[in-house]
Amino acid sequence: DAGVTQSPTHLIKTRGQQVTLRCSPISGHKSVSWYQQVLGQGPQFIFQYYEKEERGRGNFPDRFSARQFPNYSSELNVNALLLGDSALYLCASSSVDRGLHTEAFFGQGTRLTVV
Amino acid sequence: AQKITQTQPGMFVQEKEAVTLDCTYDTSDPSYGLFWYKQPSSGEMIFLIYQGSYDQQNATEGRYSLNFQKARKSANLVISASQLGDSAMYFCAMREADRGSTLGRLYFGRGTQLTVWP
Repeated sequence: DAGVTQSPTHLIKTRGQQVTLRCSPISGHKSVSWYQQVLGQGPQFIFQYYEKEERGRGNFPDRFSARQFPNYSSELNVNALLLGDSALYLCASSSVDRGLHTEAFFGQGTRLTVV
Repeated sequence: AQKITQTQPGMFVQEKEAVTLDCTYDTSDPSYGLFWYKQPSSGEMIFLIYQGSYDQQNATEGRYSLNFQKARKSANLVISASQLGDSAMYFCAMREADRGSTLGRLYFGRGTQLTVWP
């Protein structure tokens, strides 16, 4: 079975541009979360979607938005890019059947560089 | 306040030796879960082990064990018989039962870079 897949793997954008990152969860997983990992730090929660509805939002500006599609894939959009948005963006999918023990499966991430 | 604190930026261990990576957490929720993830240079986060707040016994998964001390709010990862392939970043994370929901976000620490030498 395929794991969580993210595209693209690497991306270079200019300040002020917009970017769209994509994530396909593991088959059967209905929950998708996005995390931002700045160099030298742990991942920070951005969004969580379950059954196409936003179920959680981290402390990120409105320039960040996301959505989940009927097939449970997801997109993360970032507008008006800043240098500080340079980071590894991780997508995680999970099945909610195991409660708190629900393991989040991560993709390899999209490494975004803003110049 | 930080939800997860990892005080060791880097740790070194010789191959075949055991190593302990420290993690303390902060929560007022009686129901929570603690996770350890490994992140190789490729970037993917790999799940290692889980401990629930109500679990009576320390979790074990192969060479990984979790030293759970609830009163001290610590959840240290012990890796036995270290291998060269264990060299990576290790992250401690916590999920709280946010308002009864188990869909809560994961809070991560800053990580510990483990280097295993021959």
